[in-house]
Amino acid sequence: GENVEQHPSTLSVQEGDSAVIKCTYSDSASNYFPWYKQELGKGPQLIIDIRSNVGEKKDQRIAVTLNKTAKHFSLHITETQPEDSAVYFCAARRLGKLVFGAGTILRVKS
Amino acid sequence: EPEVTQTPSHQVTQMGQEVILRCVPISNHLYFYWYRQILGQKVEFLVSFYNNEISEKSEIFDDQFSVERPDGSNFTLKIRSTKLEDSAMYFCATLRRLASTGELFFGEGSRLTVL
Repeated sequence: GENVEQHPSTLSVQEGDSAVIKCTYSDSASNYFPWYKQELGKGPQLIIDIRSNVGEKKDQRIAVTLNKTAKHFSLHITETQPEDSAVYFCAARRLGKLVFGAGTILRVKS
Repeated sequence: EPEVTQTPSHQVTQMGQEVILRCVPISNHLYFYWYRQILGQKVEFLVSFYNNEISEKSEIFDDQFSVERPDGSNFTLKIRSTKLEDSAMYFCATLRRLASTGELFFGEGSRLTVL
């Protein structure tokens, strides 16, 4: 089955700096890769996603890149703000089931 | 904006007791999921449900677990005899259609504490 690895487990950045979180997946048939943000006591919220026929997608300060050959995808957050502090999960999916990475705790220091 | 609603938000129970967690999916969604998150760990797939039957389940989803959609609206997860290790956040998620690229919507979760 699918296995998703996520790095780093924790990331501290200064406000205004960029943050990058990386994930790899094992199932080459996976073709949908969402990123979720989870704040304390809440459910995961989708922040951006990418399909396998696209290499890069951007939404304001957030971007995701996908390298299908290498089976890895990354989340880029530019100009980080304190409210970006949360746990971020990558995931991979083929058809129904999402498989999540272990999560990255992002702390943005002001 | 449509949302997935879960109840209760928090339940405390004694080991060995039965627990039912409830989810109201988004109205035009057809695929339903339960995920579990033990404190500080990753979100883990438990089970998927479509057309009134389980379509896939994980190793975690043993005989103590069951799901049903008894009245066409609520989607429930039952744990027959809870164990300490069942303590976790349980998330319901729903999907409109099984296209490979549809968004999975998550509820806010039900926190289960087993004493």
